[in-house]
Amino acid sequence: QVQLVQSGAEVKEPGASVKVSCKVSGYTFASHAITWVRQAPGEGLQWTGWINVNNGDVKYGQEFQGRVTMTRDTSTSTVYMELRSLRSDDTAVYYCARAYFYGLDVWGQGTTVTVSS
Amino acid sequence: QSALTQPPSASGSPGQSVTISCTGTSSDVAYDKYVFWYQQHPGKAPKLIIYEVSKRPSGVPDRFSGSKSGNTASLTVSGLQVEDEADYYCSSYAGSNILLFGGGTKVTVL
Repeated sequence: QVQLVQSGAEVKEPGASVKVSCKVSGYTFASHAITWVRQAPGEGLQWTGWINVNNGDVKYGQEFQGRVTMTRDTSTSTVYMELRSLRSDDTAVYYCARAYFYGLDVWGQGTTVTVSS
Repeated sequence: QSALTQPPSASGSPGQSVTISCTGTSSDVAYDKYVFWYQQHPGKAPKLIIYEVSKRPSGVPDRFSGSKSGNTASLTVSGLQVEDEADYYCSSYAGSNILLFGGGTKVTVL
């Protein structure tokens, strides 16, 4: 079955960077883009951006441009999201999800990123 | 782009129906068919329940239905069940490879 398995929880200090991974299985990696969505505690879903896993093309949400980088490793069917210059308001659960056209059909389990000194 | 507008809460008794709205603009919700709905239970990842305005993925009960009129999409849950108590989010394509989410609606089963 289709699965997206994310890396474990992270605790980072303000100003640091975090890199979250999302390993997919159960389908042809190249057939779907992957998107990243974050959810701050008690808040709604916020689109972070997506990556075309065929050619590496990316599109980032305006709020994240300049701080986020999404990459992929086709040899391991894994997508990565790196967020830099972390602030306390980056504390959130970060989800990867498979794109179905311009929506999201299968989600990872989420990765909690805590930014605290 | 601004987030799509959803009511913060909705409620109904078991067996009743509840409808959640998702309001956008002519550049997103009204523009094309890419309105999706997700259900999220506390502490869990969101789950797709409606795609392309009104289609249900395999395994999603037919008491969930979607529609759209102009700038507003709607999700209706008919025959409410206790397990339908959750947060519901809409998303819409906004052009230029941008995806928008609604702020979410908490559905309470009374």
